[in-house]
Amino acid sequence: ELKVEQNPLFLSMQEGKNYTIYCNYSTTSDRLYWYRQDPGKSLESLFVLLSNGAVKQEGRLMASLDTKARLSTLHITAAVHDLSATYFCAVDIANTGNQFYFGTGTSLTVIP
Amino acid sequence: GAVVSQHPSWVICKSGTSVKIECRSLDFQATTMFWYRQFPKQSLMLMATSNEGSKATYEQGVEKDKFLINHASLTLSTLTVTSAHPEDSSFYICSASSPPTSGSFYFTQYFGPGTRLTVL
Repeated sequence: ELKVEQNPLFLSMQEGKNYTIYCNYSTTSDRLYWYRQDPGKSLESLFVLLSNGAVKQEGRLMASLDTKARLSTLHITAAVHDLSATYFCAVDIANTGNQFYFGTGTSLTVIP
Repeated sequence: GAVVSQHPSWVICKSGTSVKIECRSLDFQATTMFWYRQFPKQSLMLMATSNEGSKATYEQGVEKDKFLINHASLTLSTLTVTSAHPEDSSFYICSASSPPTSGSFYFTQYFGPGTRLTVL
């Protein structure tokens, strides 16, 4: 059974601080996605990582992918309150009709 | 980017009634759409994969007779929750796969805004 696990599940951090969210998955996949979800809303795409060693950055967020370790990280730099949300990683598996398997989610609260 | 809509945005119904949720891809044709369910403070759980013109593929543990999926066209998939009960109250999200663009090898999934179902 495919598992996608995130760590931590809940995170409270002060503005200006840095932190990293981890996403581990249990099977081979070359494609890893990061999404943001605000309360009561659907998913907002943040990053698509398509190969081993891929690194993408947008504002205060940076995502990376290590397919050999089956690990992706989402690094937050100098957090601001607007980043408070739940973050999900997801993988899709070849030959499964493009099905997504979502991680457990990380609920981030940035405290002023 | 591509847009996926859902209708309704939220619905409240009495126990025992059926509720239909529509998922539309507005500016692209989607041969495959997916239906997810999300309970409060939990992740998204894939319920079923909907392919245009064929029967949906349901994930283990999802009752196909309770959650009827119809994908009648390349831009529309519907999820009908039959004889809804309070435990079916959840946030239902659909997504639609857009074919690879030139030079790309992967499909892109676009998520709808979600439908919040409350069953009294």
